[in-house]
Amino acid sequence: GAGVSQTPSNKVTEKGKYVELRCDPISGHTALYWYRQSLGQGPEFLIYFQGTGAADDSGLPNDRFFAVRPEGSVSTLKIQRTERGDSAVYLCASSLAGVGEQFFGPGTRLTVL
Amino acid sequence: DQQVKQNSPSLSVQEGRISILNCDYTNSMFDYFLWYKKYPAEGPTFLISISSIKDKNEDGRFTVFLNKSAKHLSLHIVPSQPGDSAVYFCAASLTSGTYKYIFGTGTRLKVLA
Repeated sequence: GAGVSQTPSNKVTEKGKYVELRCDPISGHTALYWYRQSLGQGPEFLIYFQGTGAADDSGLPNDRFFAVRPEGSVSTLKIQRTERGDSAVYLCASSLAGVGEQFFGPGTRLTVL
Repeated sequence: DQQVKQNSPSLSVQEGRISILNCDYTNSMFDYFLWYKKYPAEGPTFLISISSIKDKNEDGRFTVFLNKSAKHLSLHIVPSQPGDSAVYFCAASLTSGTYKYIFGTGTRLKVLA
């Protein structure tokens, strides 16, 4: 499997619950990105990792959202106290460095009831 | 404020004819532009890109044109094939770094056999 993988593919949760979304980037890609795509919209940038550190988290909507990449490979996007407005497809992408083509995973569809 | 706009939500084209997808942007600092294609239940796939120092880039059946003075770019697909039916996203990034893509809302292309 050479592509970006994301788990779970679908997540249904209740308002107020905590969720974790996982991204496994392409092996050797140092840069990792999270985007959120709401219905009828294009992907919206959330956060960018270069290695283990978050180089730019300016797209995170509020402090309920947090992401980690402790070993510079797999990343987890964490959402606390979920709200119905958090329902969207969360996309992960990776690239060889912080420039150039980004390769996207299939996304996790999050539904908050 | 939508910095990257795709004003046509959908487009239908006969197989073999030319498909022209349009994109407008507002930020003159954008330096790098991309087109991504997205099939249902899959992540966006990179199609073609263009730097602001060029006005045209061609790759097989796909050509992207950039008009900086008009802040407009377009994607031409010739000849169109049924397998081209997908949602196409235009994206742009700033001169300061190409990692943060700003996406348009997408145009759904349907190529009729």
